[in-house]
Amino acid sequence: DSGVTQTPKHLITATGQRVTLRCSPRSGDLSVYWYQQSLDQGLQFLIQYYNGEERAKGNILERFSAQQFPDLHSELNLSSLELGDSALYFCASSPRTSGGPSSYNEQFFGPGTRLTVL
Amino acid sequence: GQQLNQSPQSMFIQEGEDVSMNCTSSSIFNTWLWYKQDPGEGPVLLIALYKAGELTSNGRLTAQFGITRKDSFLNISASIPSDVGIYFCAGHRYGGSQGNLIFGKGTKLSVKP
Repeated sequence: DSGVTQTPKHLITATGQRVTLRCSPRSGDLSVYWYQQSLDQGLQFLIQYYNGEERAKGNILERFSAQQFPDLHSELNLSSLELGDSALYFCASSPRTSGGPSSYNEQFFGPGTRLTVL
Repeated sequence: GQQLNQSPQSMFIQEGEDVSMNCTSSSIFNTWLWYKQDPGEGPVLLIALYKAGELTSNGRLTAQFGITRKDSFLNISASIPSDVGIYFCAGHRYGGSQGNLIFGKGTKLSVKP
């Protein structure tokens, strides 16, 4: 158990709908990362938040957005869903994002949310 | 975005065999991480490496941080059925924003039929 929690575990919805995925980082971790993993694909970095502020953006579609709240949990919002958005979505956390030792580069992953768009 | 070249892409193992895989990059890295992912689960951190030349073990797993800082290797000795899964390398590029990792595409380990 990495200490990172994600809900829900599974989500089935229809095209055009909007969903929200939730992530709670490990206790004390300030950075949260979101990744998308399609079938037999690698991990595609979407976005990073640090202590409530957006820190880095990857291949995130404009239909997707995220935020990190004062209690450090994060939500990933996916809207106008398409069939191709079906994937596993992972959240990861790390202690900090700057000024720390190399171990702060370690990311710990949650169990993921499997999104199926029908 | 930048990718790590991870090889092999897939391999079949027979119980008891040793397994090797590696990741290479054109950039210098200051951290190398190796993860294992079981089907439908999140990646689990296996080994972290921080210094060029560093050799670190975790049970039957041994990983090395390449001397050039551009590569890393993972070896699994005396493989067992539960070693099956996808292994990802990840690196933090020297000078990159701390915490941001670049991932390889994974090596899929399957049992030899």
